[in-house]
Amino acid sequence: GDSVTQMEGPVTLSEEAFLTINCTYTATGYPSLFWYVQYPGEGLQLLLKATKADDKGSNKGFEATYRKETTSFHLEKGSVQVSDSAVYFCALHNFGNEKLTFGTGTRLTIIP
Amino acid sequence: DTEVTQTPKHLVMGMTNKKSLKCEQHMGHRAMYWYKQKAKKPPELMFVYSYEKLSINESVPSRFSPECPNSSLLNLHLHALQPEDSALYLCASSQVRQAGRSGNTIYFGEGSWLTVV
Repeated sequence: GDSVTQMEGPVTLSEEAFLTINCTYTATGYPSLFWYVQYPGEGLQLLLKATKADDKGSNKGFEATYRKETTSFHLEKGSVQVSDSAVYFCALHNFGNEKLTFGTGTRLTIIP
Repeated sequence: DTEVTQTPKHLVMGMTNKKSLKCEQHMGHRAMYWYKQKAKKPPELMFVYSYEKLSINESVPSRFSPECPNSSLLNLHLHALQPEDSALYLCASSQVRQAGRSGNTIYFGEGSWLTVV
C-alpha cells in the first residue's frame, strides 16, 4: 500500500538558517503530494502541493519538487523565521484511494 | 475561499453525555471527511462522505455517528465516549476524486478539541 516516510524530528534551527525536511514515498501510479503545516493548537493548513512529476510547489518561501525518480518531495526554505515553528506533515493522495496518507510529522522549532 | 469551519472549538463532555461536532464548508466540495488526531501523531481517517453518502468507515466504534445533512454540512454525533477518545477532531473537504485522475487537495478545518472526563 501507499506510505510516506518523513524525516524524524524534532528539528531545531536558528533564525535565518536553511531548512530541509526530507520526505520520500511509496505508491503505485501518480499520486498528488502535499505538505501540511500545523501551528500549535491549530488544525492543518495546506502549505503547498504538486500533482505531477517535476512540479514545484511553493508558498510563503517554502518549496518542494515532486521527484518521481527518487520518489521524494523534500521541503526547503532558504531562511526560516521564528513564526515557522510548527509541525510539518508530508502527505500523498493517490487516485486509487480515498485516504490521505500522512508521514509521521516533523516538529520544527526556530530559535531567535 | 478555502475555509472549513468547525464548531465548537473546545468541548468537554462526560462519558454519559451526548454531544455533536459540526462542520461547514462553502467551497462546493462534495467529499467530506472526519479525522481524529492524537497528540504528536498524524491525523487518522474516520469517515468519508461522497455526495452526502457514507463511502468509508474506518472501523470506527458506533459511539461515533456521522451525519451529512446536505452538501455543505457534516456532523459527528458523540455518545458514551471513553477518556481515550479525547483528541483533536478534524473535518476536511475536497472535490470528489475522479477515476483516472490524481488525488484532489483536501482542506482541513481548525478542529474541535474534545476532552472526555
